[in-house]
Amino acid sequence: NAGVMQNPRHLVRRRGQEARLRCSPMKGHSHVYWYRQLPEEGLKFMVYLQKENIIDESGMPKERFSAEFPKEGPSILRIQQVVRGDSAAYFCASSPGQGGTYEQYFGPGTRLTVT
Amino acid sequence: GENVEQHPSTLSVQEGDSAVIKCTYSDSASNYFPWYKQELGKRPQLIIDIRSNVGEKKDQRIAVTLNKTAKHFSLHITETQPEDSAVYFCAASKNSGYSTLTFGKGTMLLVSP
Repeated sequence: NAGVMQNPRHLVRRRGQEARLRCSPMKGHSHVYWYRQLPEEGLKFMVYLQKENIIDESGMPKERFSAEFPKEGPSILRIQQVVRGDSAAYFCASSPGQGGTYEQYFGPGTRLTVT
Repeated sequence: GENVEQHPSTLSVQEGDSAVIKCTYSDSASNYFPWYKQELGKRPQLIIDIRSNVGEKKDQRIAVTLNKTAKHFSLHITETQPEDSAVYFCAASKNSGYSTLTFGKGTMLLVSP
Protein backbone atom coordinates (compact mmCIF):
# COMPACT_ATOMS: atom_id res chain seq x y z
CA ASN A 1 0.00 0.00 0.00
CA ALA A 2 1.77 3.10 -1.24
CA GLY A 3 1.92 6.02 1.14
CA VAL A 4 1.04 9.62 0.43
CA MET A 5 2.85 10.82 -2.66
CA GLN A 6 3.89 14.37 -3.41
CA ASN A 7 5.62 15.88 -6.41
CA PRO A 8 7.78 17.55 -7.16
CA ARG A 9 9.99 17.04 -4.12
CA HIS A 10 11.89 20.24 -4.83
CA LEU A 11 10.66 23.22 -6.80
CA VAL A 12 12.51 26.42 -7.62
CA ARG A 13 10.56 29.39 -8.91
CA ARG A 14 11.46 32.98 -9.61
CA ARG A 15 9.39 35.74 -8.07
CA GLY A 16 6.17 36.22 -10.01
CA GLN A 17 5.99 32.69 -11.41
CA GLU A 18 3.39 30.09 -10.53
CA ALA A 19 3.99 27.02 -8.39
CA ARG A 20 1.90 23.85 -8.64
CA LEU A 21 2.25 21.22 -5.97
CA ARG A 22 0.62 17.83 -6.31
CA CYS A 23 -0.51 15.33 -3.71
CA SER A 24 -1.86 11.81 -4.18
CA PRO A 25 -3.44 10.45 -0.98
CA MET A 26 -3.01 6.94 0.33
CA LYS A 27 -5.16 4.34 -1.34
CA GLY A 28 -8.59 4.37 0.23
CA HIS A 29 -8.19 7.86 1.68
CA SER A 30 -10.61 10.53 0.54
CA HIS A 31 -9.55 13.43 2.74
CA VAL A 32 -6.54 15.65 2.00
CA TYR A 33 -4.96 18.35 4.15
CA TRP A 34 -2.26 20.81 3.16
CA TYR A 35 0.21 22.23 5.69
CA ARG A 36 3.05 24.72 5.38
CA GLN A 37 6.26 24.46 7.38
CA LEU A 38 8.60 27.40 7.58
CA PRO A 39 12.23 26.78 8.57
CA GLU A 40 12.54 25.69 12.20
CA GLU A 41 8.82 26.08 12.80
CA GLY A 42 5.85 23.80 13.21
CA LEU A 43 3.27 22.83 10.66
CA LYS A 44 0.52 25.31 9.91
CA PHE A 45 -2.80 24.13 8.55
CA MET A 46 -3.77 25.66 5.21
CA VAL A 47 -6.70 23.82 3.65
CA TYR A 48 -8.76 20.66 3.97
CA LEU A 49 -10.40 19.04 0.95
CA GLN A 50 -12.53 16.08 0.07
CA LYS A 51 -13.10 14.97 -3.48
CA GLU A 52 -14.44 17.96 -5.46
CA ASN A 53 -15.04 19.96 -2.27
CA ILE A 54 -13.11 22.45 -0.18
CA ILE A 55 -14.18 21.84 3.40
CA ASP A 56 -12.03 24.34 5.27
CA GLU A 57 -9.64 26.89 3.78
CA SER A 58 -9.32 29.06 6.86
CA GLY A 59 -5.52 28.69 6.99
CA MET A 60 -4.89 29.59 3.38
CA PRO A 61 -4.07 33.16 2.33
CA LYS A 62 -6.99 34.71 0.46
CA GLU A 63 -4.88 35.92 -2.41
CA ARG A 64 -2.61 33.97 -4.77
CA PHE A 65 -3.29 30.58 -3.13
CA SER A 66 -5.85 28.04 -4.30
CA ALA A 67 -6.40 24.33 -3.88
CA GLU A 68 -8.43 21.64 -5.54
CA PHE A 69 -9.06 17.93 -5.28
CA PRO A 70 -10.77 16.80 -8.48
CA LYS A 71 -12.81 13.66 -8.92
CA GLU A 72 -9.91 12.12 -10.80
CA GLY A 73 -6.26 12.80 -10.14
CA PRO A 74 -4.23 14.32 -7.35
CA SER A 75 -4.94 17.28 -5.14
CA ILE A 76 -3.21 20.43 -6.33
CA LEU A 77 -2.03 23.43 -4.32
CA ARG A 78 -1.46 26.37 -6.60
CA ILE A 79 0.48 29.50 -5.70
CA GLN A 80 0.32 32.32 -8.19
CA GLN A 81 2.86 35.15 -8.46
CA VAL A 82 5.15 33.61 -5.86
CA VAL A 83 7.13 35.83 -3.50
CA ARG A 84 10.21 35.02 -1.39
CA GLY A 85 8.03 34.61 1.68
CA ASP A 86 6.36 31.60 0.04
CA SER A 87 9.61 29.63 0.35
CA ALA A 88 8.77 26.75 2.67
CA ALA A 89 8.11 23.04 2.81
CA TYR A 90 4.55 22.16 1.85
CA PHE A 91 3.22 18.89 3.20
CA CYS A 92 0.00 17.18 2.41
CA ALA A 93 -1.60 14.55 4.61
CA SER A 94 -4.46 12.17 4.01
CA SER A 95 -6.93 10.37 6.21
CA PRO A 96 -9.59 7.76 5.52
CA GLY A 97 -12.46 10.02 6.40
CA GLN A 98 -14.89 10.53 9.18
CA GLY A 99 -15.45 6.93 10.03
CA GLY A 100 -14.28 7.33 13.60
CA THR A 101 -10.59 7.53 12.82
CA TYR A 102 -8.58 10.73 12.81
CA GLU A 103 -5.07 9.66 11.89
CA GLN A 104 -3.38 11.76 9.25
CA TYR A 105 -0.47 10.39 7.27
CA PHE A 106 1.97 12.78 5.68
CA GLY A 107 3.66 12.84 2.32
CA PRO A 108 7.37 13.59 1.88
CA GLY A 109 6.70 17.26 1.18
CA THR A 110 7.56 19.72 -1.57
CA ARG A 111 10.33 22.16 -0.77
CA LEU A 112 9.60 25.39 -2.60
CA THR A 113 12.39 27.90 -3.07
CA VAL A 114 11.57 31.30 -4.52
CA THR A 115 14.55 33.16 -5.92
CA GLY B 1 -9.27 28.72 17.77
CA GLU B 2 -7.03 26.08 19.26
CA ASN B 3 -3.56 27.02 20.51
CA VAL B 4 -0.94 24.40 21.33
CA GLU B 5 2.18 25.26 23.34
CA GLN B 6 5.11 22.81 23.41
CA HIS B 7 8.12 22.67 25.74
CA PRO B 8 11.05 22.46 25.72
CA SER B 9 12.12 23.66 22.29
CA THR B 10 15.35 21.66 22.55
CA LEU B 11 16.24 18.68 24.72
CA SER B 12 19.60 16.96 25.02
CA VAL B 13 19.92 13.62 26.81
CA GLN B 14 22.44 10.84 27.11
CA GLU B 15 21.72 7.50 25.50
CA GLY B 16 19.69 5.38 27.89
CA ASP B 17 18.12 8.33 29.70
CA SER B 18 14.44 9.20 29.54
CA ALA B 19 13.04 12.19 27.66
CA VAL B 20 9.81 14.03 28.39
CA ILE B 21 8.14 16.58 26.12
CA LYS B 22 5.11 18.52 27.31
CA CYS B 23 2.25 20.24 25.51
CA THR B 24 -0.71 22.31 26.60
CA TYR B 25 -3.81 23.12 24.59
CA SER B 26 -6.47 25.78 24.93
CA ASP B 27 -9.68 24.32 23.48
CA SER B 28 -11.42 22.06 25.99
CA ALA B 29 -13.35 20.46 23.09
CA SER B 30 -10.16 18.93 21.66
CA ASN B 31 -10.24 15.16 22.00
CA TYR B 32 -7.48 13.76 19.81
CA PHE B 33 -3.76 14.26 20.48
CA PRO B 34 -1.17 12.76 18.12
CA TRP B 35 2.62 12.96 18.28
CA TYR B 36 4.77 13.13 15.17
CA LYS B 37 8.50 12.53 14.72
CA GLN B 38 10.28 14.37 11.94
CA GLU B 39 13.84 13.58 10.98
CA LEU B 40 15.82 16.18 9.08
CA GLY B 41 14.42 16.63 5.58
CA LYS B 42 11.84 13.89 6.04
CA ARG B 43 8.08 13.71 6.44
CA PRO B 44 6.40 13.89 9.86
CA GLN B 45 5.62 10.36 11.01
CA LEU B 46 2.86 9.50 13.42
CA ILE B 47 4.44 7.67 16.37
CA ILE B 48 1.64 7.55 18.91
CA ASP B 49 -1.71 9.18 19.60
CA ILE B 50 -4.22 9.34 22.41
CA ARG B 51 -7.91 10.10 22.56
CA SER B 52 -9.67 11.84 25.40
CA ASN B 53 -11.35 8.74 26.73
CA VAL B 54 -8.03 7.41 28.09
CA GLY B 55 -5.37 8.88 30.33
CA GLU B 56 -2.32 6.96 29.16
CA LYS B 57 -1.15 4.89 26.22
CA LYS B 58 2.08 2.94 25.77
CA ASP B 59 3.88 1.49 22.78
CA GLN B 60 7.18 -0.14 23.69
CA ARG B 61 9.54 2.68 24.76
CA ILE B 62 7.04 5.44 24.02
CA ALA B 63 4.15 6.55 26.19
CA VAL B 64 1.74 9.45 26.15
CA THR B 65 -0.25 10.80 29.09
CA LEU B 66 -3.24 13.11 28.98
CA ASN B 67 -4.69 15.33 31.70
CA LYS B 68 -7.94 16.75 30.36
CA THR B 69 -8.63 18.81 33.46
CA ALA B 70 -5.34 20.65 33.16
CA LYS B 71 -5.41 20.51 29.35
CA HIS B 72 -1.96 19.11 28.95
CA PHE B 73 -0.41 15.98 27.50
CA SER B 74 3.11 14.62 27.48
CA LEU B 75 5.33 12.29 25.47
CA HIS B 76 7.67 10.01 27.39
CA ILE B 77 10.53 8.16 25.71
CA THR B 78 12.45 5.68 27.85
CA GLU B 79 15.87 4.13 27.18
CA THR B 80 16.59 6.70 24.51
CA GLN B 81 18.77 5.75 21.55
CA PRO B 82 20.68 7.93 19.07
CA GLU B 83 18.10 7.10 16.39
CA ASP B 84 15.47 8.81 18.54
CA SER B 85 17.16 12.12 17.66
CA ALA B 86 14.64 14.16 15.67
CA VAL B 87 12.10 16.95 16.01
CA TYR B 88 8.93 15.90 17.80
CA PHE B 89 5.62 17.70 17.29
CA CYS B 90 2.50 17.44 19.38
CA ALA B 91 -0.90 18.31 17.94
CA ALA B 92 -4.53 18.58 18.96
CA SER B 93 -7.84 18.36 17.16
CA LYS B 94 -11.53 17.88 17.87
CA ASN B 95 -14.19 15.86 16.20
CA SER B 96 -16.22 18.61 14.61
CA GLY B 97 -16.93 16.51 11.56
CA TYR B 98 -13.34 16.54 10.45
CA SER B 99 -9.94 16.55 12.09
CA THR B 100 -7.79 19.60 11.41
CA LEU B 101 -4.63 19.38 13.45
CA THR B 102 -3.13 22.31 15.36
CA PHE B 103 0.56 21.69 15.95
CA GLY B 104 3.00 22.79 18.60
CA LYS B 105 6.24 24.37 17.44
CA GLY B 106 8.28 21.26 17.97
CA THR B 107 11.01 19.91 20.25
CA MET B 108 14.42 19.04 18.89
CA LEU B 109 15.60 15.96 20.77
CA LEU B 110 19.30 15.11 20.63
CA VAL B 111 20.41 11.79 22.08
CA SER B 112 24.16 11.57 22.59
CA PRO B 113 25.90 8.16 22.55
